[in-house]
Amino acid sequence: GDSVTQMEGPVTLSEEAFLTINCTYTATGYPSLFWYVQYPGEGLQLLLKATKADDKGSNKGFEATYRKETTSFHLEKGSVQVSDSAVYFCALSDGGGGFKTIFGAGTRLFVKA
Amino acid sequence: DTGVSQNPRHKITKRGQNVTFRCDPISEHNRLYWYRQTLGQGPEFLTYFQNEAQLEKSRLLSDRFSAERPKGSFSTLEIQRTEQGDSAMYLCASSPTGLAGSTDTQYFGPGTRLTVL
Repeated sequence: GDSVTQMEGPVTLSEEAFLTINCTYTATGYPSLFWYVQYPGEGLQLLLKATKADDKGSNKGFEATYRKETTSFHLEKGSVQVSDSAVYFCALSDGGGGFKTIFGAGTRLFVKA
Repeated sequence: DTGVSQNPRHKITKRGQNVTFRCDPISEHNRLYWYRQTLGQGPEFLTYFQNEAQLEKSRLLSDRFSAERPKGSFSTLEIQRTEQGDSAMYLCASSPTGLAGSTDTQYFGPGTRLTVL
């Protein structure tokens, strides 16, 4: 079945460092891809999404490009802030099955001042 | 606030007891989903509704679990004869009905954390 694999955490960075969180997927169809973020004590929030190959999703300085040839959707940010400390989940949407979402295990990011 | 709401936020129960959780989706959203999230893992799909119809159930949803959405608005998730392995965060999400082939962004509630002693 469909699945998502993302890099294990925690990832610890200093403020203003460059962030990459790797994500690869396996899917039989043509899924849409998402990054969700979960801040401490809060619910899941959609960070960005891409619906087809070569689309780039972006939000709050984060971006990710849908790469069909490598089945990847890596999350990047040029300069992280302490407030970016959270757990990041890569996910895909099963478009043929009611759009249920399949999540990766999550990557915890700590940003130090 | 017009987001997805869930009640209760926390539930502690003894093994063998029944529990029921409620989810109120965003009002104009036709689809409603339930997920379960255990510590250190991503959410796992349990079931989803299109209006009042339950259209898919995961194999994770054993016969002790039942979900309803009687009027196509709020939904309840009941767990009978709880087990310690049921301890998790139960998340609800909703989305509008999209056109065929489109993708609906899901909006998540804060979750109900269940602890089974």
